[in-house]
Amino acid sequence: DAKTTQPPSMDCAEGRAANLPCNHSTISGNEYVYWYRQIHSQGPQYIIHGLKNNETNEMASLIITEDRKSSTLILPHATLRDTAVYYCIVRVRKGGGSQGNLIFGKGTKLSVKP
Amino acid sequence: EAQVTQNPRYLITVTGKKLTVTCSQNMNHEYMSWYRQDPGLGLRQIYYSMNVEVTDKGDVPEGYKVSRKEKRNFPLILESPSPNQTSLYFCASSSPPSDRTGTVEWAFFGQGTRLTVV
Repeated sequence: DAKTTQPPSMDCAEGRAANLPCNHSTISGNEYVYWYRQIHSQGPQYIIHGLKNNETNEMASLIITEDRKSSTLILPHATLRDTAVYYCIVRVRKGGGSQGNLIFGKGTKLSVKP
Repeated sequence: EAQVTQNPRYLITVTGKKLTVTCSQNMNHEYMSWYRQDPGLGLRQIYYSMNVEVTDKGDVPEGYKVSRKEKRNFPLILESPSPNQTSLYFCASSSPPSDRTGTVEWAFFGQGTRLTVV
């Protein structure tokens, strides 16, 4: 699976959009981008995933660049409860191997401030 | 409610005393795995299982054993715990890749087991 690079920390004001970048310049055509978050030592929680089109769900939006070498997770109206470590993960689709393994990097610690 | 349940949530034990951390999921998922999380090292996979009786090593399997006799359960066994196994442990489960999209469904994680070995 391709490696990802994220900034170690970011701050965001409550109510503003939080934009979390992720670089995955070695991503291959059969790899998806997944985002998880972990709130204070709880179990990681799935947020969203995508291949090449932008995706949106009730939690967030995922913007993937046309060359797929980077992506941005957007929390449109951050709240204090969104303070967490956010992990960007790329992994292969079916048939690509390593199907059971999620490889977590260090992630980005997002601090939402009042 | 879909969930992954780990027990115990907290455990303090002594070096060499065998212990088992249980993990159970109620979603009929085929994939299950164990991770440990340590400060500065992030989450690292210990073992994973792609189905009943099918298990494989992750990145840090030394000192651990697992078994998958039933689909819903995936216990983590420490035969002779040592202080370097003091950590926060997470169990996770997910369904296999979708035949339509080829993607693996997102993983559900348990709430964690904080283990201290003295």
